[in-house]
Parts: sequence; C-alpha cells; structure tokens
Amino acid sequence: ETGVTQTPRHLVMGMTNKKSLKCEQHLGHNAMYWYKQSAKKPLELMFVYSLEERVENNSVPSRFSPECPNSSHLFLHLHTLQPEDSALYLCASSQGGGRGGSSAQYFGPGTRLLVL
Amino acid sequence: AQSVAQPEDQVNVAEGNPLTVKCTYSVSGNPYLFWYVQYPNRGLQFLLKYITGDNLVKGSYGFEAEFNKSQTSFHLKKPSALVSDSALYFCAVRDSQKAAGNKLTFGGGTRVLVKP
Repeated sequence: ETGVTQTPRHLVMGMTNKKSLKCEQHLGHNAMYWYKQSAKKPLELMFVYSLEERVENNSVPSRFSPECPNSSHLFLHLHTLQPEDSALYLCASSQGGGRGGSSAQYFGPGTRLLVL
Repeated sequence: AQSVAQPEDQVNVAEGNPLTVKCTYSVSGNPYLFWYVQYPNRGLQFLLKYITGDNLVKGSYGFEAEFNKSQTSFHLKKPSALVSDSALYFCAVRDSQKAAGNKLTFGGGTRVLVKP
C-alpha cells in the first residue's frame, strides 16, 4: 500500500475554505487518476492524467481543480465546496499511459473529506 | 458504453466455506476485467485481472476468478473463506479498444461478511 500515498488522510473544511489534496506514487507509473467514493454510490472517475496531460475530465464541477506537475505527483485543489462533496477521494496510478492498456490501477488509501 | 453489475449488495458465508462474488459486464469490444478489495478506511487493493488467455485467473490471497464470455461474467471465488476476507469487493471493466480510453468502470461493490 505504500506505492501510492495520499495526504491528508482526513480533512474537515468549511464551504468558503481552499484546500488541496496531495497524491504521490512511487511505482514509476505514467498515468494518475482521481476518483470520488460516496456512500452507496459507485466509484466515480473524476480526472485522468497521462504523461502529465489531462486526458479525461468527467464533467466535474469547477470547484475541483486538478494539477499534475510531474508523473509522480497529483493534486486536487478544492474551493467553495458543498456539503454533498463530502466523500472519500481516492488517487490511483497505472503504467501504460491513460489511453487504454491492460495495466491495473493501484490506489492510495484515500482522503476522507467532510465539508461543513 | 461499458458497464458492470454486481447483483448482490452483501454476501454472507461461514468461515471455511466457499465464497463467490458475482459480476457481469457489458462492453463493445473485448473486456479487460479486474477485481479489487477494499478494507475499512483503506483504498482499493488490486486482486487479479483477466486480459486474455486462460479463462481461470489466479490472484492474491487465494482468490481466483473465471471469465465466461458467453455469460459475460467474471465471478470471484475462493475455495475456503477466512474471517479476514470480510471486506468490500469491486469488479471493474475496461473496453480493450483503444478508442475507449482508459476509463475503468466499477460495479457498485459487494460487501462480504465471513462469520466464524
């Protein structure tokens, strides 16, 4: 599980706050992902980065802003969130880029976010 | 479009008994299929995948899964369940056609409870 790390593990923020989630992968992969996991909902893919280029954005509200400065790091910047954004945010990485391929995705432990 | 169905929200099994978690899928082309397990307050851990070849795939922790193309199924199995196998299990599919991108579609999850 130390292949993909996420910080912080827990975050409580008000609706007017700005915060960032950080993900780092130590697996030498070249694609990274953000997922949202809410109670009683399927895992939702938010963003995909391949070779540091965003290749997918699944209609995510602009209050979520991803950043991928290099192939090992991925950020999710949060601002003016809503209570319904409270969820577990999972980062993942894989080899073979973000355009197809048979590689499995490897997940971090997640950041549990609570928006008050 | 690709989709995954896990028809059981929860599976209860006695320790030592066989465990089966069901998954069916729908893709346009040939599928890449994955199983993940999630323990409480943790991220998803990769268990096994089917890409091509032998329909019976063996993975971590004694789990295996059988790909059945005619039934579009990829059920997860373990011959003898352990209490420590109690967790949330996710099936996922990706269309092998490159045009489909790298979107991995997850099922809704099946909670497994193994009783001593």
